[in-house]
Amino acid sequence: EVQLLESGGGLVQPGGSLRLSCAASGFIFSNYAMSWVRQAPGKGLEWVSAIGGSGGSTYYADSVKGRFTISRDNSKNTLYLQMNSLRAEDTAVYYCAKLSVKAVAADLEYWGQGTLVTVSS
Amino acid sequence: EIVLTQSPGTLSLSPGERATLSCRASRSVSSSYLAWYQQKPGQAPRLLVFGASSRATGIPDRFSGGGSGTDFTLTISRLEPEDFAVYYCQQYGSSPYTFGQGTKLEI
Repeated sequence: EVQLLESGGGLVQPGGSLRLSCAASGFIFSNYAMSWVRQAPGKGLEWVSAIGGSGGSTYYADSVKGRFTISRDNSKNTLYLQMNSLRAEDTAVYYCAKLSVKAVAADLEYWGQGTLVTVSS
Repeated sequence: EIVLTQSPGTLSLSPGERATLSCRASRSVSSSYLAWYQQKPGQAPRLLVFGASSRATGIPDRFSGGGSGTDFTLTISRLEPEDFAVYYCQQYGSSPYTFGQGTKLEI
């Protein structure tokens, strides 16, 4: 059974940093691309970033480019999102998702339950 | 970036009725790389359809996807009470892999 467990969310001041983690199990982690998607309170889904199975290819939404960094540790079956220079508009539930193939151009097959990030002073 | 526009914003129907949801792209979605997701309150989204028309594992056959190019649809043939939720389309043919704004399906 595929399981994705996000952690690392919380309250942070504007301009601050936070690192999210997503622990994966139930599949061969390195064989699949992974992604982060966020949802602001009461709003729709926003794609944030994706990374290929080997970690060599990464993609970002314009709204986070230059501030967020996606990475993965295939030896630990863990996905990360380093978030710097946080803004109030980054407040959202952040979901980790497993794609259906190793390449990033794929559907989001499984989702975690999300972790809440609140950016406020 | 490809902008996806979903219509209608809200769809009010009754159990047993047929629902047709639309997703229109600002330019052609390559290789029909379009997916549909269902989200219920307080839950993570769930994949329903990928590749525009292929049902995901475990999805009932009352859900069907169609379309190509810039116009896509999700059809629910006979609504069950558990189908009332918010539905999102997403294109993954061109980064950034954008979502539509969602259609709320309500009783």
